[in-house]
Amino acid sequence: NAGVTQTPKFQVLKTGQSMTLQCAQDMNHEYMSWYRQDPGMGLRLIHYSVGAGITDQGEVPNGYNVSRSTTEDFPLRLLSAAPSQTSVYFCASSRGTVNTEAFFGQGTRLTVV
Amino acid sequence: AQSVTQLGSHVSVSEGALVLLRCNYSSSVPPYLFWYVQYPNQGLQLLLKYTSAATLVKGINGFEAEFKKSETSFHLTKPSAHMSDAAEYFCAVSDHAGGTSYGKLTFGQGTILTVHP
Repeated sequence: NAGVTQTPKFQVLKTGQSMTLQCAQDMNHEYMSWYRQDPGMGLRLIHYSVGAGITDQGEVPNGYNVSRSTTEDFPLRLLSAAPSQTSVYFCASSRGTVNTEAFFGQGTRLTVV
Repeated sequence: AQSVTQLGSHVSVSEGALVLLRCNYSSSVPPYLFWYVQYPNQGLQLLLKYTSAATLVKGINGFEAEFKKSETSFHLTKPSAHMSDAAEYFCAVSDHAGGTSYGKLTFGQGTILTVHP
């Protein structure tokens, strides 16, 4: 009964490095999204996907790329890490209607030095 | 654009006291509203959601929220706080889907609840 699984849980990057945060869900949910959480700012939407092959930008997309080749997976790529991307990242999935519960992963704590 | 505002970034109560966490929303259409809870070092989990079937919504762990359209509010309450309620609480509003857009969640800033013995 895994739900939404994120890897890694912790990561330290040097400025300019790239990396991919992994997200997988086993609930056959159409909708998946990535948020970043910063103190005092709540969660802000980075990118989201309404199904395999369909992605769109959220509120804070700059510096991040996504793709959705399968229903299960929704990786988030940092192209060239910057200290401003130090944050906690959460992946979420939902069945897709507007009033349904979003299920969240445990988060990835990323530090860019 | 829809938005939510949570009044008070920190709330501190004694064990057994009333918990009141405030949330006001801005929406041009009837909103979809949620409360999520985040325990330390964990992801968010749903406490309750407003479905328009009833203005008073009951959630898990004894929490409830009342939708007041006239005040554009959706405050979260619990009659008696437990130590295990210490967490961060987020109010969220969902867009209405249209085309390829879906109900994106917009979160408030969060309220950290501390419960003292």
